[in-house]
Amino acid sequence: GAGVSQSPSNKVTEKGKDVELRCDPISGHTALYWYRQRLGQGLEFLIYFQGNSAPDKSGLPSDRFSAERTGESVSTLTIQRTQQEDSAVYLCASSSPTKRGETQYFGPGTRLLVL
Amino acid sequence: GNSVTQMEGPVTLSEEAFLTINCTYTATGYPSLFWYVQYPGEGLQLLLKATKADDKGSNKGFEATYRKETTSFHLEKGSVQVSDSAVYFCALSEIETAGKSTFGDGTTLTVKP
Repeated sequence: GAGVSQSPSNKVTEKGKDVELRCDPISGHTALYWYRQRLGQGLEFLIYFQGNSAPDKSGLPSDRFSAERTGESVSTLTIQRTQQEDSAVYLCASSSPTKRGETQYFGPGTRLLVL
Repeated sequence: GNSVTQMEGPVTLSEEAFLTINCTYTATGYPSLFWYVQYPGEGLQLLLKATKADDKGSNKGFEATYRKETTSFHLEKGSVQVSDSAVYFCALSEIETAGKSTFGDGTTLTVKP
């Protein structure tokens, strides 16, 4: 595809339910990032995948959050037992960080609302 | 670890005013530096970047110079327009950490006619 795509674009769920968010990176991009952006706030790093290396999970806020990526393709971010404070826009980005100055390309985000 | 500190917002300016948004960083290696912009209702996109000391990134009338001695990458524009109203994020990435990026908290700019 031409850019990073994310689905769903919007998700409303009830507290306690599990949700799964999907990211399709740009073809050939080895690096993939998930961020959380609460309303009016900055980017909160969640997790980073780079090639076949072990993912950097240092930003995941709790064990309710997990993410998977198969090879250099689609990634899914799963939030179990959602809480109201999980409401935010979840952004995915991909890049090809094989040389200096490689840009991150962001998807449009998934807006999650936990009732 | 790496970090990026941006000037706190929000910033409100009149059209044609001069803009500066300060950004300083700490990094363990020799990073590349970026400014990303998020227009209302849109996703983040690259505004400009610089990959080595003294380089100047520029785009859409915005400029930022990579200052290694002061570890800064301040964003400037000589004459802002209403259409520049957005959230601006300073960021860095390092090859030494496999390209993982670090973002600042963002600065909201509102330009009034």
